[in-house]
Amino acid sequence: ETGVTQTPRHLVMGMTNKKSLKCEQHLGHNAMYWYKQSAKKPLELMFVYNFKEQTENNSVPSRFSPECPNSSHLFLHLHTLQPEDSALYLCASSQDGGPLYEQYFGPGTRLTVT
Amino acid sequence: DQQVKQNSPSLSVQEGRISILNCDYTNSMFDYFLWYKKYPAEGPTFLISISSIKDKNEDGRFTVFLNKSAKHLSLHIVPSQPGDSAVYFCAASGANAGGTSYGKLTFGQGTILTVHP
Repeated sequence: ETGVTQTPRHLVMGMTNKKSLKCEQHLGHNAMYWYKQSAKKPLELMFVYNFKEQTENNSVPSRFSPECPNSSHLFLHLHTLQPEDSALYLCASSQDGGPLYEQYFGPGTRLTVT
Repeated sequence: DQQVKQNSPSLSVQEGRISILNCDYTNSMFDYFLWYKKYPAEGPTFLISISSIKDKNEDGRFTVFLNKSAKHLSLHIVPSQPGDSAVYFCAASGANAGGTSYGKLTFGQGTILTVHP
């Protein structure tokens, strides 16, 4: 498998559930990102991990908890979400030392909170 | 406050003609600009970029123009093809852009391009 993969592709969860989104990159990159895209809004950066260390937390509520066990895997743990958290969640990766701005995105997880 | 704006939600163009997608930014510290293309059910894919030291970058049918004084950039696609129909996102970044970390991208809302056969 190549590129950036995300699972699941679709997720419906209740406000009291706990779930996790998974991202895996097969590009040998060492920086990974979580973005949120709500309807008719720009992509919003949530978290950045560089060499497994979190370097950015863009004022994201604590009900979103990222985890980066190694430079190829990134998780987003979800608990007690709100309906307004329904959105497309995109994972991306890039290579430190290269053109960091050129990020490679996964297909996203479409999350619906009921 | 949105620092990167794409004021046209959609654009419709005839096949073979030129498509021009526009983007404006407000943060003068941005020094690198990118265009991404997104098809339905897929993640955005990198298309073309430009550094602030240039005013034009060309890659095949795609050309990006940067006007720093106007804080404006545009993407030209010529000739447009039906396969170019997608959502196009403008993004900007800069190592010293308001304290943002290196590699952080600020995106516009996107413009839906439809190319009719």
